[in-house]
Amino acid sequence: GENVEQHPSTLSVQEGDSAVIKCTYSDSASNYFPWYKQELGKRPQLIIDIRSNVGEKKDQRIAVTLNKTAKHFSLHITETQPEDSAVYFCAGGDGAGSYQLTFGKGTKLSVIP
Amino acid sequence: GAVVSQHPSWVICKSGTSVKIECRSLDFQATTMFWYRQFPKQSLMLMATSNEGSKATYEQGVEKDKFLINHASLTLSTLTVTSAHPEDSSFYICSASGRTGEQFFGPGTRLTVL
Repeated sequence: GENVEQHPSTLSVQEGDSAVIKCTYSDSASNYFPWYKQELGKRPQLIIDIRSNVGEKKDQRIAVTLNKTAKHFSLHITETQPEDSAVYFCAGGDGAGSYQLTFGKGTKLSVIP
Repeated sequence: GAVVSQHPSWVICKSGTSVKIECRSLDFQATTMFWYRQFPKQSLMLMATSNEGSKATYEQGVEKDKFLINHASLTLSTLTVTSAHPEDSSFYICSASGRTGEQFFGPGTRLTVL
């Protein structure tokens, strides 16, 4: 089955700086890669996703890049703000049409004012 | 759009009792619903996948007789934890997936078994 590795497990940045979180996946058939933000005690919220037919997608301060050859994808947050502090999870879709997701272990992002 | 509700948000029960958790997609039809378990400071672990009108597919190591899943309609799935024990205490989260495949999560249910 799919295996998703996520790094780093914790990340601290100064407000206004950029944050980058990286994930690798094992199943070359995976074709859907969402990113979720989870605040303490709350549900994961989909913040951006990318499918295998594109290499990059951007939504305001958030961008995701995908390298299918190397089987890795990254989340980039620019001009970080304190409200960006949360746990971020990457995930990979199994590509079999069921859209079942395998999640990374998460990255706890702290933005220091 | 893409709102998923979950009920109850928290429940405390005695060991040996059963607990039912409901997951509803409020504004879209969910062809597939997923049930996850999340321990503190850990990732989401998929327990089972359910499709409307068919039996759920359980992940390896998840007891299907203990975690009963029913997906009777395109907007409702239920998870029943039978004969709950303290080790079943956890945060249970459902998600619903529509035609485009994105998963939208419910707010979760915190189960505490005494």
